[in-house]
Amino acid sequence: DVKVTQSSRYLVKRTGEKVFLECVQDMDHENMFWYRQDPGLGLRLIYFSYDVKMKEKGDIPEGYSVSREKKERFSLILESASTNQTSMYLCATTGTGAQHFGDGTRLSIL
Amino acid sequence: GENVEQHPSTLSVQEGDSAVIKCTYSDSASNYFPWYKQELGKRPQLIIDIRSNVGEKKDQRIAVTLNKTAKHFSLHITETQPEDSAVYFCAASKGSASKIIFGSGTRLSIRP
Repeated sequence: DVKVTQSSRYLVKRTGEKVFLECVQDMDHENMFWYRQDPGLGLRLIYFSYDVKMKEKGDIPEGYSVSREKKERFSLILESASTNQTSMYLCATTGTGAQHFGDGTRLSIL
Repeated sequence: GENVEQHPSTLSVQEGDSAVIKCTYSDSASNYFPWYKQELGKRPQLIIDIRSNVGEKKDQRIAVTLNKTAKHFSLHITETQPEDSAVYFCAASKGSASKIIFGSGTRLSIRP
């Protein structure tokens, strides 16, 4: 069974802080994704990566960056956190089929 | 750009009745259409998927239909049960390794 692990379930940070969200998968999948989930807006793609050191912008990349130094790890970075980045963040990975999600990180920016 | 529209946003049905959720997609090159169920406080999980070479797929009480010409696909749940209450997301992609575009979700409630 695919396991996607996000480092924190809940996180509280302050405006202007640099925030790191970590995601690790154990299936040797090449493709990894970061989504943001807000009520009524569904799942919006922030960034995705097809391979180590590769990244592509999704639909809402502004204010975010990512890092993929190792195949199993995909990090989302909020360079200078703002209150409008308060949200649920979901990491996902896919092999040849559907996406497998982590449990999510509920991030609050105060 | 690529877009997936999902309706309705909320749906309430009597236990035992059927529920139907509909989606349309904009990119005619899309060929893979998964459906996810997200229970409260949990991760989205795949419940069924369909590829463009198939018009219908069924798995027990769940079925999905696809009309490529109209760019529509639908989820049908029969004999609904309380555990079917959740948010359901449709999605579309151009291949299993491509990025997936999600609909905005349908909150399904099953009335006892």
